Amino acid sequence: GENVEQHPSTLSVQEGDSAVIKCTYSDSASNYFPWYKQELGKGPQLIIDIRSNVGEKKDQRIAVTLNKTAKHFSLHITETQPEDSAVYFCAARKAAGNKLTFGGGTRVLVKP
Amino acid sequence: NAGVMQNPRHLVRRRGQEARLRCSPMKGHSHVYWYRQLPEEGLKFMVYLQKENIIDESGMPKERFSAEFPKEGPSILRIQQVVRGDSAAYFCASSPRDRGNYGYTFGSGTRLTVV
Repeated sequence: GENVEQHPSTLSVQEGDSAVIKCTYSDSASNYFPWYKQELGKGPQLIIDIRSNVGEKKDQRIAVTLNKTAKHFSLHITETQPEDSAVYFCAARKAAGNKLTFGGGTRVLVKP
Repeated sequence: NAGVMQNPRHLVRRRGQEARLRCSPMKGHSHVYWYRQLPEEGLKFMVYLQKENIIDESGMPKERFSAEFPKEGPSILRIQQVVRGDSAAYFCASSPRDRGNYGYTFGSGTRLTVV
């Protein structure tokens, strides 16, 4: 089955700096890659996603890139703010199935 | 348009008791997924259901765990004879359709504590 690895597990950045989280996946049939943000005591919230026919997608301060050949994708957060502090999860899904496989998560701390 | 509703938010059970977790999907969503999250860990897939059908239960433990999504009413995740290792946050998510690349919408979770 699909296996998703996520790095780093923790990331501490100064407010205003950029944060980058990287994920790799194992199944070349995967073609949908969402990112979720989970705040303490809450459920994961979808923040951005990318499909395999696109190499990059941007939404304000958040961007995601996808390299299908290398089977890795990344989340970039620019101009970080304290409210960006949370746990971020990447995930992957095959076209033929509906199960999302999640990475292990990255705890991001933005220091004011 | 209410989101995915899970209840209860917190559930305490003694070892050997049964736990029943409920999930009402978003309006218009007919697909429900259950995930388990152990403390400081990621989300592990348990089961995927459509109305009256279990589509994929590859992540469900072989014993004590069951799930249903009846024609009427919420989806239920049932854990019989709970043990301490079942303590976790259980999240339900829903999506509008099959075979489409749509993100899930997650509920706020049920935090199960077994004492």
